[in-house]
Amino acid sequence: QSVLTQPPSASGTPGQRVTISCSGSSSNIGSNYVYWYQQLPGTAPKLLIYRNNQRPSGVPDRLSGSKSGTSASLAISGLRSEDEADYYCAAWDDSLSGWVFGGGTKLTVL
Amino acid sequence: QVQLVQSGAEVKKPGASVKVSCKASGYTFTSYGISWVRQAPGQGLEWMGWISAYNGNTNYAQKLQGRVTMTTDRSTSTAYMELRSLRSDDTAVYYCAGDYCTNGVCYPGVWGQGTTVTVSS
Repeated sequence: QSVLTQPPSASGTPGQRVTISCSGSSSNIGSNYVYWYQQLPGTAPKLLIYRNNQRPSGVPDRLSGSKSGTSASLAISGLRSEDEADYYCAAWDDSLSGWVFGGGTKLTVL
Repeated sequence: QVQLVQSGAEVKKPGASVKVSCKASGYTFTSYGISWVRQAPGQGLEWMGWISAYNGNTNYAQKLQGRVTMTTDRSTSTAYMELRSLRSDDTAVYYCAGDYCTNGVCYPGVWGQGTTVTVSS
């Protein structure tokens, strides 16, 4: 049972916009930054979004992050086949004094 | 470029210990910390703990307290994670992740390729 809650799956067709939600609590998302990672099959996670809505260099601007209260979301516009992957949200948890992750959302491009 | 390279796959019997290494390159090793994260087959990510490569301070996940030890060797820019009293549910891919820091806030930024640890009798 993950501390952060994500939908197990999401899908869209090429060119569409999809959003993935991440719900937490006051001790994690409510008081700290949210981060998003992409994990392609058989590979290590890759940082996509840091500090709620910042993109590392090399991450396209069709990916965006947002946060409101104890929830966050990742939006992917102009969906492409290479976006098919697992996506994880993460945040520092003040009560646990450690990083917590969502259970992951498997994105399928139809 | 910043890179973390981990040691190879391990197969261990229940009750044994495993030690995974993570060699850093492309940055000043002692400037940042290293987190360890594991992923059981078909499951999500689980944070195991963090070590400062500067002074060796550690912060372990409560669930693993007493079974895990994280260390660093500054002379070789390598971090280590040892897990003892292995059980079948410790079977997972183990990742090291180096900190990225922006404006004083640090987070797991660059990840190693992962090390598969299989616990089986």
